[in-house]
Amino acid sequence: SQTIHQWPATLVQPVGSPLSLECTVEGTSNPNLYWYRQAAGRGLQLLFYSVGIGQISSEVPQNLSASRPQDRQFILSSKKLLLSDSGFYLCAWSAIPWASGQETQYFGPGTRLLVL
Amino acid sequence: DAKTTQPTSMDCAEGRAANLPCNHSTISGNEYVYWYRQIHSQGPQYIIHGLKNNETNEMASLIITEDRKSSTLILPHATLRDTAVYYCISSLSGGYNKLIFGAGTRLAVHP
Repeated sequence: SQTIHQWPATLVQPVGSPLSLECTVEGTSNPNLYWYRQAAGRGLQLLFYSVGIGQISSEVPQNLSASRPQDRQFILSSKKLLLSDSGFYLCAWSAIPWASGQETQYFGPGTRLLVL
Repeated sequence: DAKTTQPTSMDCAEGRAANLPCNHSTISGNEYVYWYRQIHSQGPQYIIHGLKNNETNEMASLIITEDRKSSTLILPHATLRDTAVYYCISSLSGGYNKLIFGAGTRLAVHP
């Protein structure tokens, strides 16, 4: 079965410091990978998605970046954090099943980031 | 992707069926309806999805109207652990799948 891991679970960082959040998926090959952010009390906002190694698409302009150095590894980074970067960061994966061609996303446990 | 509208909150007694409605009046013919839920401080959990036919799995049933303009998620025997925010999302099939999460319905299951 497939599993998705995110770390760290929680993180407190000062404004202006760098950021690196990691997401890994097990039990599947060539998944689509996604980064979402959820501000307190709000819905999820898609930040980045990737359909393969080195292929990253950005949904919203921001001071964050994403990379996919390996097939099942997705990294979210920032060179200098802002207060507005605080939130709950979620990684998700999906694979198109052979039968229906319909894609379903499965989410990781998330990383709660607080920028002070 | 079609916009969906859901009630802000609902209550349900433990052991009773929870029926969560969703309107998606602008849904197009190739857009699926997905349901996820998010328990406090956790990542969203996939529940079920469908296109035209009603669907059932071990978690829930999804009833889609014939004109596909609305749907209902049914939790047949709600438990306290079903207390969560439930999201109804419509999304195109195939390839990269962009899910647009709205505010969802906050379901409170009480004893």
